Amino acid sequence: GQSLEQPSEVTAVEGAIVQINCTYQTSGFYGLSWYQQHDGGAPTFLSYNALDGLEETGRFSSFLSRSDSYGYLLLQELQMKDSASYFCARGGAGNMLTFGGGTRLMVKP
Amino acid sequence: DAGVIQSPRHEVTEMGQEVTLRCKPISGHDYLFWYRQTMMRGLELLIYFNNNVPIDDSGMPEDRFSAKMPNASFSTLKIQPSEPRDSAVYFCASITSLAGLNTGELFFGEGSRLTVL
Repeated sequence: GQSLEQPSEVTAVEGAIVQINCTYQTSGFYGLSWYQQHDGGAPTFLSYNALDGLEETGRFSSFLSRSDSYGYLLLQELQMKDSASYFCARGGAGNMLTFGGGTRLMVKP
Repeated sequence: DAGVIQSPRHEVTEMGQEVTLRCKPISGHDYLFWYRQTMMRGLELLIYFNNNVPIDDSGMPEDRFSAKMPNASFSTLKIQPSEPRDSAVYFCASITSLAGLNTGELFFGEGSRLTVL
């Protein structure tokens, strides 16, 4: 079964801020990555946290708390083009990534 | 630099036929991964290679599936015989061990959408 849990759907309005949470199993954990996937496209890398704290990349930020086995992706100043699926992925040995089920984000005008 | 290249992009075949999916990783990347994506099961890791050697194939669903990597620039995923439940998007991804654990970034191809009738 899935070793990562994230909400299946989130809806927000343009210009707003949205947070997508992810909890994971700790066994063999190296770090937490986030990917974006538009319909019909390939997953593309957004960010990565190996240590506790916040990583900021433009409008997107990602947070990790290893003690809580928890992370989140924060999207600010939402735009229509941000409508996509967002996946958290747990890094493990051998550069293996195990993906969560994905969160479908719908941005409305 | 070209990204990960997969072919075919789309394939429609009939149950029982053999399907071969192909992948060319990014030059210099020594890890190659095959993932399958469906609505029901999400993104599943099927198998991955390091320096052309299969490391973990525990995700391969059954003996009908096989994967090879004869050299550093080419890998195949074969399904024989194919079944309707194999319908999915199959992604190939690659990474260099030099970055790997420090970046958490896999580079994905555009995927091969397989439909088995």
